[in-house]
Amino acid sequence: KAGVTQTPRYLIKTRGQQVTLSCSPISGHRSVSWYQQTPGQGLQFLFEYFSETQRNKGNFPGRFSGRQFSNSRSEMNVSTLELGDSALYLCATREDPNYGYTFGSGTRLTVV
Amino acid sequence: QQPVQSPQAVILREGEDAVINCSSSKALYSVHWYRQKHGEAPVFLMILLKGGEQKGHDKISASFNEKKQQSSLYLTASQLSYSGTYFCGMRDNAGGTSYGKLTFGQGTILTVHP
Repeated sequence: KAGVTQTPRYLIKTRGQQVTLSCSPISGHRSVSWYQQTPGQGLQFLFEYFSETQRNKGNFPGRFSGRQFSNSRSEMNVSTLELGDSALYLCATREDPNYGYTFGSGTRLTVV
Repeated sequence: QQPVQSPQAVILREGEDAVINCSSSKALYSVHWYRQKHGEAPVFLMILLKGGEQKGHDKISASFNEKKQQSSLYLTASQLSYSGTYFCGMRDNAGGTSYGKLTFGQGTILTVHP
């Protein structure tokens, strides 16, 4: 089974720009969650999608948005980038509510 | 609100035991435990559903006290490969479904020396 695929692996963007990150879950995994990981804040929940519907949202500003497609692939978008958005963005997918998550390797975003 | 993990860091010698604790102020549906090695993605260890069950495999086990909203991870006879950062994830009981938020604690850094 292929793992969770996140693209791109690395990104360097300038303040004010926007960015789109992609996550392809393991086949059969319909739930996709996004997390922001930084040394100071740890793993912060962004949002969770299931069957193309956002189920939960974390405490992030509206600049952070996401969506899920009918094939369960998900994208997250960050508009008007700020320096503080520099982080590792992790996608996590699961097959069933009572199963654990499989994480992707993440996208390392650097905002300069 | 983020679950609270303790201790923040643990240093062990091979063969020693450790316990990592995690607590929440919210009613919980499930507790997850993950280990992350430096530069890698978190890896799922186990999930505990409400009901007070204890799970484990090999020398790593965990318990979940639903009433106290607490969970503990037990590592016995530690090995060098156990080194990493351990995260608990707690899914709240939103609407009694399994779709409450999964929120992670701040992590416990475990270092095992030969």
